[in-house]
Parts: sequence; C-alpha cells; structure tokens
Amino acid sequence: GQQVMQIPQYQHVQEGEDFTTYCNSSTTLSNIQWYKQRPGGHPVFLIQLVKSGEVKKQKRLTFQFGEAKKNSSLHITATQTTDVGTYFCAGRRERDDKIIFGKGTRLHILP
Amino acid sequence: DTGVSQDPRHKITKRGQNVTFRCDPISEHNRLYWYRQTLGQGPEFLTYFQNEAQLEKSRLLSDRFSAERPKGSFSTLEIQRTEQGDSAMYLCASSLRQGSNEQYFGPGTRLTVT
Repeated sequence: GQQVMQIPQYQHVQEGEDFTTYCNSSTTLSNIQWYKQRPGGHPVFLIQLVKSGEVKKQKRLTFQFGEAKKNSSLHITATQTTDVGTYFCAGRRERDDKIIFGKGTRLHILP
Repeated sequence: DTGVSQDPRHKITKRGQNVTFRCDPISEHNRLYWYRQTLGQGPEFLTYFQNEAQLEKSRLLSDRFSAERPKGSFSTLEIQRTEQGDSAMYLCASSLRQGSNEQYFGPGTRLTVT
C-alpha cells in the first residue's frame, strides 16, 4: 500500500496567497524529490533533498526535509497562475532503495 | 537529444489483446524506469533497468507484464491479454546513476482497454 502520504489532496488558493503541501513517510528516506505535473503533462523534476533538516529555496518555492528524514514540505509564497498543477513528492526508502511517489497535491489558483 | 520519448502516445485496444510500448531515454542515461499512473494518483513504480539489466520489478506487476532493454538504450513494455484495469498512463523516465538521480519523464503512453 501507499507508504508515502501526501496532504492535502487538493488545495484552492487565491492568487497571491501562500501554499504548502506536506509529505510523510512511514519509514526513513535516504532522499526525497519533488516533481510538478501540469494538467495533461508529465512530472517534471523540481529538487532533491538529501540531508537531515535540509532547506532549499528556488525563487518563491521553499523545500524542507525533516530532521528524522521521514517528512518533507514544499511551500510556495505568493502563488501565481503558473503554479497550477499537481505537486508530487517521491521518497527513496533507505532500507531497500525503492522510490515511492505520494499521491500528489493538486493546486488550483483562483483569480 | 530533446529528452525522453515514448511511442505511441495513445493506444486503444480491446480486452484480451497484447500491446507493446516503446521508450527512448536520454542517450547518456543508464537508468530507465517504467511507471503507471491513473487519474488522481501518483506514478506507481513498475520496473527499472540499469543499462540492459532489469534490477527490480514491482510485486504489483503481474506475469502479463514484461519489459526489456536489450542493448541498454531503448526499452519496451509489453502487456499481454490486456484487461480493463490496465487502462492508465504508462510513463517512462530515465536518469544518470551518479549525481542527483533526478528522473526525466517522457510524455507517456495513454492506454485505454475497451
């Protein structure tokens, strides 16, 4: 079954508001990656986090990896219409090196 | 090289027929992955290759599914005796073994089994 939980499943925000999606694993991860999939498109790599407590920023996007390497978050500041899409986390399990994708958070921007 | 390509982009088949999909990864990438994605779900891992060796196959994959990467370049995924539950988007991704391991996804093949 799904061992990487991602919440929320859907998020509607007004343009300009912030957005956060959370990813939680039942097991320790060696790394976690984030992908964005636009409607009708394929997943596109955003970033990889490897170190415990790591924080990385890409313009308005901030990615965090938890101290226990079991959870991660993606925060978008001041959303824009171009941020529309589904954001997936993908964790690589430390015990067997398997990559498990979350179900994704679908972001919809209200004008 | 413009990225990962997949062929066909769409396939409609009748239940019980066999189908084969092709994936051409980015040329210098030695890892190739197959995923299945259904509506509202994340990509579900099926199998992966390092060069021509198939290193892992998901237990979710029935015996009707087989994948090959004979020369370590392109790969094929075959589904025998298709069932309606096989309807999904089949995604291929490739990556370098070293480095960030970021996966570059192809556009996918959308399979509809009627």
